[in-house]
Order: sequence, then C-alpha cells, then structure tokens
Amino acid sequence: GESVGLHLPTLSVQEGDNSIINCAYSNSASDYFIWYKQESGKGPQFIIDIRSNMDKRQGQRVTVLLNKTVKHLSLQIAATQPGDSAVYFCAENIPGTALIFGKGTTLSVSS
Amino acid sequence: EAGVAQSPRYKIIEKRQSVAFWCNPISGHATLYWYQQILGQGPKLLIQFQNNGVVDDSQLPKDRFSAERLKGVDSTLKIQPAKLEDSAVYLCASSLGSYITGDEQYFGPGTRLTVT
Repeated sequence: GESVGLHLPTLSVQEGDNSIINCAYSNSASDYFIWYKQESGKGPQFIIDIRSNMDKRQGQRVTVLLNKTVKHLSLQIAATQPGDSAVYFCAENIPGTALIFGKGTTLSVSS
Repeated sequence: EAGVAQSPRYKIIEKRQSVAFWCNPISGHATLYWYQQILGQGPKLLIQFQNNGVVDDSQLPKDRFSAERLKGVDSTLKIQPAKLEDSAVYLCASSLGSYITGDEQYFGPGTRLTVT
C-alpha cells in the first residue's frame, strides 16, 4: 500500500532521555520525508525533512535517519524535554501524489 | 510574522446542513493547502492551490466538498451537505512555494467540525 505507518502509537520517556520515534513506509518511490510535531489544539509544525538521496540529517536536538533498504525512517530527539510532549507524524512524498501522513506517535515526557 | 488564520475554530452542525471554513494564509505565500484530520489520524490533503489555481484536488470528495481561492489570497472550504463522517479538524496550511521544493508548510490551528 501507500500508507505511512508508525511502529508504536505511544512512547513514554523521562526528561533528559533520548527519544526515538519510528516510521515505516511501504512505497520505494517515496523521495522526500518530513517529520511534524503536533501539540494539542494546534496544527502540525515542521521539525525536519530528508530527501531520499540522504541517509541522515541533523537539526537542533533532532536527527532523522532514513534506511531505504528496509523502508524505515526514524526521528531521534536528544535530551527530551517536557515541551517535546506531542504527537509526532512522519509524512512521505510519492512523486505524482500528495504528501501522505502516517497515524502518529504520542510522545509523553515525564519530569 | 502573523501565522495562518482560520475561522471559526469550532462548528457543530446537523447532518445534511452546510458549513464553510475560512483561511487567511501567511502574507506572500503562493501555495495554500486544505487538510482533513480525523481524530487519531494524520492529516489528509484535500486540495492544494498555487495562487488561485488548483494544483491537486484528487482527494477532495467533489460531490459535497468545494473550495475556492478567488484572489489568490484567502480561501474558503465548503461542505454541502455534511455527513457524520465529515466530523474532523480541517487544517489550512500555506507555504511560499511548494513543500516538495523544501518550502515549509505553516499550519493554522484548524477548525473542529462536529456533525450530529
């Protein structure tokens, strides 16, 4: 299929820990991926993106890894903070179609 | 800079009624998107405009949904008649160019629609 899925619907971590949120995609033609963060009552917010010709990209406290061999995407958040609590979505672009969002992973950070 | 504005924030209607949502994108953004987000799911693109032209409306249920962006700025999304399964948050987003070229989409807060 063409849906983007996430391995776990929820993830609970302690403040200061590193978080890893996973995403599996099924379409090998996908050429661009975006991670979004959505807080309650708000629209999604861009975190980081990666194109299919890369396997790693780093931002501030976040890293996205792309493994095209197994069609897997992950978002790593370093030193997770309570403000990181939100729902995280990965989205994939399949050429010729719309940006497709996965179902989301809810990250809960306890202090 | 001001973000994407949407109104109303909440709307409750009965099935078979009509409803309209309004979106004002970030100034200067040529591309405008409408998404439907059903509870517990990721957003699904309904329609994408480039200025006042439609780029993609392949997932818009055209028998009941319509959208316009007449002057290439504000946009309205209409549902007529509404069904129970239309209950969702309707998100508007805008970007300078297309997201595929790396232009970030900025989302509004959404309109939560409940159809009873």
